[in-house]
Amino acid sequence: EVQLVESGGGLVQPGGSLKLSCAASGFTFSTYTMTWVRQAPGKGLEWVSYISGSGGSTYYADSVKGRFSISRDNSKNTLYLQMNSLKAEDTAVYYCARVGLGTFRSSFFDYWGQGTLVTVSS
Amino acid sequence: QSVLTQPPSASGTPGQRVSISCSGSSSNIGSSTVNWYQQLPGTAPKLLIYSNNQRPSGVPDRFSGSKSGTSASLAISGLQSEDEADYYCAAWDDSLNGYVFGTGTKVTVL
Repeated sequence: EVQLVESGGGLVQPGGSLKLSCAASGFTFSTYTMTWVRQAPGKGLEWVSYISGSGGSTYYADSVKGRFSISRDNSKNTLYLQMNSLKAEDTAVYYCARVGLGTFRSSFFDYWGQGTLVTVSS
Repeated sequence: QSVLTQPPSASGTPGQRVSISCSGSSSNIGSSTVNWYQQLPGTAPKLLIYSNNQRPSGVPDRFSGSKSGTSASLAISGLQSEDEADYYCAAWDDSLNGYVFGTGTKVTVL
């Protein structure tokens, strides 16, 4: 059974940093591109970042480019999101998800974690 | 601000058919496959339709998707109370070099 479990969320001051983790199980982690998606309170879904199975390719939404960094440790079956220079507008539930096999143009997110809440406030 | 536009709400009585539209452009829906996600209240999103019209295992055939040009739609036939949820379309966008979600549609079962 595919499972994705996020952790690391919490309250952080504006300008601060936080690192999220997503522990994966039930599939060959290194084979799959992984992604982070966020949802601000009462708002819609916003894609944040992709990382390829090898970790060699990464993509970011313009809203987080230069501040967030996605990475993975395939030996630990774990995905990460390092968030720096956090702003109030980064407040959201952050979900990790597995990207179904295929090209980026045909990509879809077939399994999702339960999410972890990040609150940026003084 | 999302580049995929959906109506904010849709509703129907049990057993009715409800359709949700998703309008995009040549850089997203026009050149990529469309996916739909269902988010029940208080839960994580779930993949509902992928590659325009494919249902993952376990998704009832009451849900169907289609795409034409730069628009897509999701249809729910035989509406049931458990279908009350938010629905999002999504696709890869070549101009943004990223994945984009629709604005979301809240479906209410009257």
